[in-house]
Amino acid sequence: DAGVTQSPTHLIKTRGQQVTLRCSPISGHKSVSWYQQVLGQGPQFIFQYYEKEERGRGNFPDRFSARQFPNYSSELNVNALLLGDSALYLCASSFLPAGASNEQFFGPGTRLTVL
Amino acid sequence: GQQLNQSPQSMFIQEGEDVSMNCTSSSIFNTWLWYKQEPGEGPVLLIALYKAGELTSNGRLTAQFGITRKDSFLNISASIPSDVGIYFCAGPVASGSRLTFGEGTQLTVNP
Repeated sequence: DAGVTQSPTHLIKTRGQQVTLRCSPISGHKSVSWYQQVLGQGPQFIFQYYEKEERGRGNFPDRFSARQFPNYSSELNVNALLLGDSALYLCASSFLPAGASNEQFFGPGTRLTVL
Repeated sequence: GQQLNQSPQSMFIQEGEDVSMNCTSSSIFNTWLWYKQEPGEGPVLLIALYKAGELTSNGRLTAQFGITRKDSFLNISASIPSDVGIYFCAGPVASGSRLTFGEGTQLTVNP
């Protein structure tokens, strides 16, 4: 069975540009969460979606937005990129919202570099 | 916000040695998760703990949910080179919609 998939694997952008990252959850999983991982730190929560609705949002500016599609895949958008947005962006899927089952399974991530 | 403190930050051991690391919080957690992350990869779930005092094994890995619900421990027995990576503890914050992670323990195993 396929795990969580993310695309692209690597991305280089310049300051001020916009980026869209994509995630497909494990088959049968309805919840997708996004995390940002800066080098040397643990992942930081950005968003959680369940059944196409936002269920949680972390402490990130409005430049960050996300959505979930009917097939449960998800996109993370970041506008007006800053150098500090350079990080590994991780997508995690779970069968139920994290409040019901906290086991989240992560994809390989998208490495974003902002120059 | 809730913070998880992991120790040690890094460990350098010889192949065959046992490893212990821990995770503490000032807040009570109802779930403790242990993940391993290798370079260029996402975190992989190793063990999930749901009950205070619970002791769960996964091969050579054993994790315990502390009685106070404010800590958890991960032990690796007879380490091998492929155990190299960063080990993270994680738990859900009160709202349950997000996981908070510790800073990680970097494990290096010398053959």
